[in-house]
Amino acid sequence: EVQVLESGGGLVRPGESLRLSCAASGFTFSSHAMNWVRQAPGKGLEWLSAISGSGASTSYADSVKGRFTISRDNSMNTVYLQMNSLRADDTAVYYCAKSFRAGWPPGPLDYWGQGTPVTVSS
Amino acid sequence: DIRLTQSPSSLSASVGDRVTITCGASQNISNSLNWYQHHPGKTPKLLIYDASRLQRGVPSAFSGSGSVTHFTLTITSLQREDFAVYYCQQHFSLPYTFGQGTKVDIK
Repeated sequence: EVQVLESGGGLVRPGESLRLSCAASGFTFSSHAMNWVRQAPGKGLEWLSAISGSGASTSYADSVKGRFTISRDNSMNTVYLQMNSLRADDTAVYYCAKSFRAGWPPGPLDYWGQGTPVTVSS
Repeated sequence: DIRLTQSPSSLSASVGDRVTITCGASQNISNSLNWYQHHPGKTPKLLIYDASRLQRGVPSAFSGSGSVTHFTLTITSLQREDFAVYYCQQHFSLPYTFGQGTKVDIK
């Protein structure tokens, strides 16, 4: 059974940093790209970033490029999202999602975690 | 970036109704379009991928069609558990983008 579980969310002040983790199991982790998607309060889904199975390829939305960094540790079946220079408009529930197909680019997202909330406020 | 526009933004329907949601793309995305269902507070669920392929385990009441810039999601007979928010998403080019969502609630 595929499982995806995010952690690391919390309350931070503007300008601070936070690292989210996403532990996955039930599939060949190193073969699949992983993605981060967020949903701000009262808003829709926003795709943020993806990383290939090997970690060699990454992609970011313009809204987070230069501030957020995605990485993965295939020995731990875990993907990370390092978030720097956080702003109030980064407040959201952050979801980790597995890519449906092996390889790159990521394609459809077939398994999602429950999400971890991040609040940026002074 | 590719912009996706969903219509309507919300709709009210009754159990048993046929519901159609459209998604328009700002440029040709071939058939690289997915549909997700999201119940508030729960995990988004992939319903349709590559415009018309039904994800395993999804009821056949759901169907998708379209290509290039115009896509539709149809629910042939709405069930109580189908009241949710529906999103389209393109995977034609990075960065990926979602439509703004369509909320389906009970009339």
